[in-house]
Amino acid sequence: GQNIDQPTEMTATEGAIVQINCTYQTSGFNGLFWYQQHAGEAPTFLSYNVLDGLEEKGRFSSFLSRSKGYSYLLLKELQMKDSASYLCAVMDSNYQLIWGAGTKLIIKP
Amino acid sequence: SAVISQKPSRDICQRGTSLTIQCQVDSQVTMMFWYRQQPGQSLTLIATANQGSEATYESGFVIDKFPISRPNLTFSTLTVSNMSPEDSSIYLCSRIPWTGGFEEAAKNIQYFGAGTRLSVL
Repeated sequence: GQNIDQPTEMTATEGAIVQINCTYQTSGFNGLFWYQQHAGEAPTFLSYNVLDGLEEKGRFSSFLSRSKGYSYLLLKELQMKDSASYLCAVMDSNYQLIWGAGTKLIIKP
Repeated sequence: SAVISQKPSRDICQRGTSLTIQCQVDSQVTMMFWYRQQPGQSLTLIATANQGSEATYESGFVIDKFPISRPNLTFSTLTVSNMSPEDSSIYLCSRIPWTGGFEEAAKNIQYFGAGTRLSVL
């Protein structure tokens, strides 16, 4: 079967750095996506990785290792508004998105 | 980026009734999708809305319960039929845009509407 694993919940301090990991086992691979979802709102697209390596976009970076079936989302200079759920999703060989359950990130002052 | 308008934003419905959710995008898109997200859980794909033909449903979802229409490239509806409390959930539409050039289109990035929060009593 196909599955995406990510931690259920993480806590970090304002101004710090946090890394949210995602491991996956899918039938084929056509890209990995990270989304942010604030409580009661729709997911918003954060990043896309299809080749190994690090993609940086402001305070957020996303890393991919296809051989290890592993990705992480790195958030720097954490702000209170970063408190949200972070969803990892992988596009399989049929171009269907397989979603992780999400990681709830709690930011403390 | 294209705007996705989804309505209603929320509704409270009685058991046995039906609710139709609308999703309108402001530019042509290649694909539109309907998802369900139950409290505290991730997204579950209900179906892919195909323009001019029947939707493609995922395992566990059937047309009689979740009829979908997509009369043109920018509009789709999802109906939740004969509702029960188990249907209480957030329903989301998403789309892959037809803009941004080949490189962007190749990424197949999905963008979401604001969602419909449904409570069934």
